[in-house]
Amino acid sequence: NAGVTQTPKFQVLKTGQSMTLQCAQDMNHEYMSWYRQDPGMGLRLIHYSVGAGITDQGEVPNGYNVSRSTTEDFPLRLLSAAPSQTSVYFCASSSTGTGVRQPQHFGDGTRLSIL
Amino acid sequence: SQQGEEDPQALSIQEGENATMNCSYKTSINNLQWYRQNSGRGLVHLILIRSNEREKHSGRLRVTLDTSKKSSSLLITASRAADTASYFCATSRSRYNQGGKLIFGQGTELSVKP
Repeated sequence: NAGVTQTPKFQVLKTGQSMTLQCAQDMNHEYMSWYRQDPGMGLRLIHYSVGAGITDQGEVPNGYNVSRSTTEDFPLRLLSAAPSQTSVYFCASSSTGTGVRQPQHFGDGTRLSIL
Repeated sequence: SQQGEEDPQALSIQEGENATMNCSYKTSINNLQWYRQNSGRGLVHLILIRSNEREKHSGRLRVTLDTSKKSSSLLITASRAADTASYFCATSRSRYNQGGKLIFGQGTELSVKP
């Protein structure tokens, strides 16, 4: 029962570096999302995808890119890391079920520090 | 901006007591969900209540929804030390799924002391 797998679990970057946070799910879910969690802010939606080849912006998309070439994978790219992007990043997936929203399944997060 | 606001921000109780957390939101919703997050882990779904429901139960959890007041509450009865976690409400405005666009509150940090 892998569920949603995020890698790496921890990462330290220097300002200006780029990197990709990986997310994979094995539940054949159509919907995948990326959130960031900051102290006192709850979770904020960065980008989401309704299926392979389709992505859209969430609440805080600036500085991040996504793509969805397969149902299973939804990588998040930081183009040029900034200290303001220090956060814990969560990937989530859900199915459509009967057309009413299904609960989201979360990975354990990637803790990212930008120096 | 955040849709939900949770109250209290932190709650400390003794094992066996009941814990009540509240969530208020700003716009109309299709459903409201509660999630739990243990320290250092991802969120785990607890319960979903639809906008046409007023109360829902799942084991020791009881959720109420008052759409006229735009508020929800989560009651955990007979709490255990293992219930220590952060609890988040999340709202969805879409009936037909718009890519997992849940809007989360800031969370309530619950501490249950043995």
